[in-house]
Amino acid sequence: GENVEQHPSTLSVQEGDSAVIKCTYSDSASNYFPWYKQELGKRPQLIIDIRSNVGEKKDQRIAVTLNKTAKHFSLHITETQPEDSAVYFCAAQNTGNQFYFGTGTSLTVIP
Amino acid sequence: NAGVMQNPRHLVRRRGQEARLRCSPMKGHSHVYWYRQLPEEGLKFMVYLQKENIIDESGMPKERFSAEFPKEGPSILRIQQVVRGDSAAYFCASSPSSGAFDTQYFGPGTRLTVL
Repeated sequence: GENVEQHPSTLSVQEGDSAVIKCTYSDSASNYFPWYKQELGKRPQLIIDIRSNVGEKKDQRIAVTLNKTAKHFSLHITETQPEDSAVYFCAAQNTGNQFYFGTGTSLTVIP
Repeated sequence: NAGVMQNPRHLVRRRGQEARLRCSPMKGHSHVYWYRQLPEEGLKFMVYLQKENIIDESGMPKERFSAEFPKEGPSILRIQQVVRGDSAAYFCASSPSSGAFDTQYFGPGTRLTVL
């Protein structure tokens, strides 16, 4: 089955700096990669996603890149703000419509 | 369009009791996924269901745990004879169809505490 690895597990950045979270996957047939943000005690919320036929997608301060050859994808947050502090999860969907999640990155933005 | 609904939000059970967790998917969604999350850990897949069918239950313990998604009504995750190790947050997510690229939307979760 699919195996998704996520790094780092914790990340602290100064407000205004950029944050990058990286994930790798094992199943080359996986074709959809969403990113979720989970604040303490709340549900995971979709923040951005990318499909396998696209290499990069951007939405304001958030961007995701996908390298299918290397089987890795990354989340980039620019101009970080304290409200960006949360746990971020990457996921990969395989051809069986199954979602496999990374172990999460706890991001702290220091004011 | 209401989002994914789960109830109860908090559930306390004593060891040996049964826990029933409910999930109503978003309107128009026919696919439901259940996940378990321990404190400060990731989301662990448990089971994937469509209406009246279990598609993949590879993440669900074979004993004490069962899930259903009937033709009418919510999806139910049932845990029999709960033990302290079952204490966790249980999230369900729904998606509209079995097509590729279908985003999952999560419910608010049920926090189960076993005393």
